[in-house]
Amino acid sequence: EDKVVQSPLSLVVHEGDTVTLNCSYEVTNFRSLLWYKQEKKAPTFLFMLTSSGIEKKSGRLSSILDKKELFSILNITATQTGDSAVYLCAHTSGTYKYIFGTGTRLKVLA
Amino acid sequence: DSGVTQTPKHLITATGQRVTLRCSPRSGDLSVYWYQQSLDQGLQFLIQYYNGEERAKGNILERFSAQQFPDLHSELNLSSLELGDSALYFCASSERPDRADTQYFGPGTRLTVL
Repeated sequence: EDKVVQSPLSLVVHEGDTVTLNCSYEVTNFRSLLWYKQEKKAPTFLFMLTSSGIEKKSGRLSSILDKKELFSILNITATQTGDSAVYLCAHTSGTYKYIFGTGTRLKVLA
Repeated sequence: DSGVTQTPKHLITATGQRVTLRCSPRSGDLSVYWYQQSLDQGLQFLIQYYNGEERAKGNILERFSAQQFPDLHSELNLSSLELGDSALYFCASSERPDRADTQYFGPGTRLTVL
């Protein structure tokens, strides 16, 4: 059965720290791996990964995919209080279904 | 503002009732997605439409149905409502099904079933 498992469930850090969020997945027909940030409203798209080993970067955020080991990581460097949110990982399959993990709740303390 | 609009923002109804949630996608987007987010289940993909046709189906209950109209807006119909249907329902849109990187979420409709 297709699934996504995220770890840790929750994380509390101080401003300036670097964090790594993990996402492992099982899927029968992989199409893409997605990361979203969700504050107190709708999720916003961060990254879409389709190929192994190619890092995607956006400012202090970066992500990479390992299709052999079936996992992805999301790194946030020099964290700020504005990074506090739930980070969701999802995969899409060849049938265009989306499977989401339960998310990692990140709290950044000033 | 993502450009995806959803109405209503809030809906309170009783068990056994039927409701309709409405979504207008961003201009130019042909794909519409529906998601349900509850505290115990997280974000669940329900269904996807592309240019009026159903494209993918997720964990959508038989009591729920959706459609996408020729003007590309979409409606999600929930019937025989149960307490467990209380959740935040998001609509999202993207250019095409394979362009998940262009997917934008609407603000959601909060449904409370009493």
